[in-house]
Amino acid sequence: EVQLVESGGGLVKPGGSLRLSCAASGFTFSSYSMNWVRQAPGKGLEWVSSISSSSSYIYYADSVKGRFTISRDNAKKSLYLQMNSLRAEDTAVYYCARDSEMYCSGDCYGDYWGQGTLVTVSS
Amino acid sequence: EIVLTQSPGTLSLSPGERATLSCRASQSVSSSNLVWYQQKPGQAPRLLIYGASSRATGIPDRFSGSGSGTDFTLTISRLEPEDFAVYYCQQYGSSPWTFGQGTKVEVK
Repeated sequence: EVQLVESGGGLVKPGGSLRLSCAASGFTFSSYSMNWVRQAPGKGLEWVSSISSSSSYIYYADSVKGRFTISRDNAKKSLYLQMNSLRAEDTAVYYCARDSEMYCSGDCYGDYWGQGTLVTVSS
Repeated sequence: EIVLTQSPGTLSLSPGERATLSCRASQSVSSSNLVWYQQKPGQAPRLLIYGASSRATGIPDRFSGSGSGTDFTLTISRLEPEDFAVYYCQQYGSSPWTFGQGTKVEVK
């Protein structure tokens, strides 16, 4: 059974940092691109970042570029999101999502999602 | 980037009724690369439909998707109590992934 479990969320002051983790199980983690998607309270879904299976390709939304860093450790079957210079507008539940196909070079969607971890940026 | 606009914002229906949700794209979605998700309060999005019209594993056949180009539709043929939720469309044919703002299906 595919499982994705996020952790690392919490309350942080504006300008602070936080590192999110997503632990994967039930599939060959090293064969799939992974994604972070966030959802502000009461709002819709927003794609944040993606990383290819071997970390060769990395993409960010303009809203987080230069502040967030996505990474992965295939040996540990884990995905990470380092968030620096946090702002109030970064407050959201952060989900990790798996690409729908192995070694996807495009045209893939998120087929499995974790339960999310809440990040609150407030003084 | 492709902007997706969902309508209506809220759909008030009774169990057993038919629900028709619309998703319109600002430009053509290549290869019908569009999915629909269902989200209930406090839960992650659940994949319903991919490729505009293919049901994901385990999704009941009362859910169906259609459309191409810029106009897509999710239809729930007969609403069950567990279907009252928020539904999002998302395109994956063009980077970055973009989502519609959601349609809430509520009990009338």
